[in-house]
Amino acid sequence: DIQMTQSPSTLSASVGDRVTITCRASQSISSWLAWYQQKPGKAPKLLIYKASSLESGVPSRFSGSGSGTEFTLTISSLQPDDFATYYCQQYNTWTFGQGTKVEIK
Amino acid sequence: EVQLVESGGGLVQPGGSLRLSCAASGFTFSNYWMHWVRQAPGKGLVWVSRINTDESSTTYADSVKGRFTISRDNAKNALYLQMDSLRAEDTAVYYCARDVTYCLSTGCQRGPFDIWGQGTMVTVSS
Repeated sequence: DIQMTQSPSTLSASVGDRVTITCRASQSISSWLAWYQQKPGKAPKLLIYKASSLESGVPSRFSGSGSGTEFTLTISSLQPDDFATYYCQQYNTWTFGQGTKVEIK
Repeated sequence: EVQLVESGGGLVQPGGSLRLSCAASGFTFSNYWMHWVRQAPGKGLVWVSRINTDESSTTYADSVKGRFTISRDNAKNALYLQMDSLRAEDTAVYYCARDVTYCLSTGCQRGPFDIWGQGTMVTVSS
């Protein structure tokens, strides 16, 4: 089974900060990686697919990069609406990372 | 509007059964693979099961294999999850999700989950 490991588990940041979340796969997944945002009590929302493609309607401050086993999600300038939990997912066999909670500093 | 709406959650005793439903609207349901994903209270997302467009192929997480059965009715635009032999650790919000994988005769181009339902809560407790 492919394991996905995110870091950090929790991140404290301020509005306007540049934020980076890392996701590592236990084996190569090419670019079959997605990032989701989830707010409390809500369903996840797709942000990025194929490692670096921005889903329609998602603000351009979100970007993704990487291939193989190491991936990153970057928020260029954190906005109040961005405080949430972020999950990576490899969609070869659909495993999720454990999540990264972005909190207000 | 493209939409998925889950139903069927509730309180059930350990060892009991429950059937979840997911009603799809606003898109051609029969064209898409579908999944169930669950989230225990305060925990992360866990993939549960997947079904392809014509029900010829299903996949399950090891934790539910042999206890859960995924199915679909393309005529009714509906996805189902039959859950038997339920355990306390199955307690979670269950989401259905649309997969944008598409398949040609040469193979499948994998895709992420682009549409999610609002979730239905399943509590397994005596």
